[in-house]
Amino acid sequence: DADVTQTPRNRITKTGKRIMLECSQTKGHDRMYWYRQDPGLGLRLIYYSFDVKDINKGEISDGYSVSRQAQAKFSLSLESAIPNQTALYFCATSDETSSPGELFFGEGSRLTVL
Amino acid sequence: AQRVTQPEKLLSVFKGAPVELKCNYSYSGSPELFWYVQYSRQRLQLLLRHISRESIKGFTADLNKGETSFHLKKPFAQEEDSAMYYCALENYGQNFVFGPGTRLSVLP
Repeated sequence: DADVTQTPRNRITKTGKRIMLECSQTKGHDRMYWYRQDPGLGLRLIYYSFDVKDINKGEISDGYSVSRQAQAKFSLSLESAIPNQTALYFCATSDETSSPGELFFGEGSRLTVL
Repeated sequence: AQRVTQPEKLLSVFKGAPVELKCNYSYSGSPELFWYVQYSRQRLQLLLRHISRESIKGFTADLNKGETSFHLKKPFAQEEDSAMYYCALENYGQNFVFGPGTRLSVLP
């Protein structure tokens, strides 16, 4: 089945370390997103991309960067991790032609920054 | 700014009781609204979208532009409905704004 895959699924790191979360998809979707989930805050958008040459900041992009290496790959980086970046991170894809308004989510990457 | 609010963090009902999960939004223009659900140990997934006017798993949601609401309803809750529910708004075709979520617990 076409899927959205996130790696790693769990990561514990220390303050100041550089961390990369990777997302790959076999759905053939052009649009990809990174969200973080925090209890009581829901999902907040970090970055989104409509194609390889199109990257857009979301609501909470400070402290994060992204790279769209190919249509199928969208990576999220924390250049210098801090404890308040401890959260569950979700990658998602969408295709406005085949299923307008529907996001397809990965299983999530749980990041803990000590 | 576009915003979605869900006033209840937790909603507990008994099996067979009606359930209503509240969602309000702020948006300039004609909104596209959705409900997403996350069952235990499953991925977040689309439950329904207002433009489809559909009923999924017995759930319905009506867009009320006057009250800027998109409440999710089900007449008879089932234990398998226990999950986290998120209301979401499509932001001018660019991305999606989510509410904080409501955890529904259906008690036996």
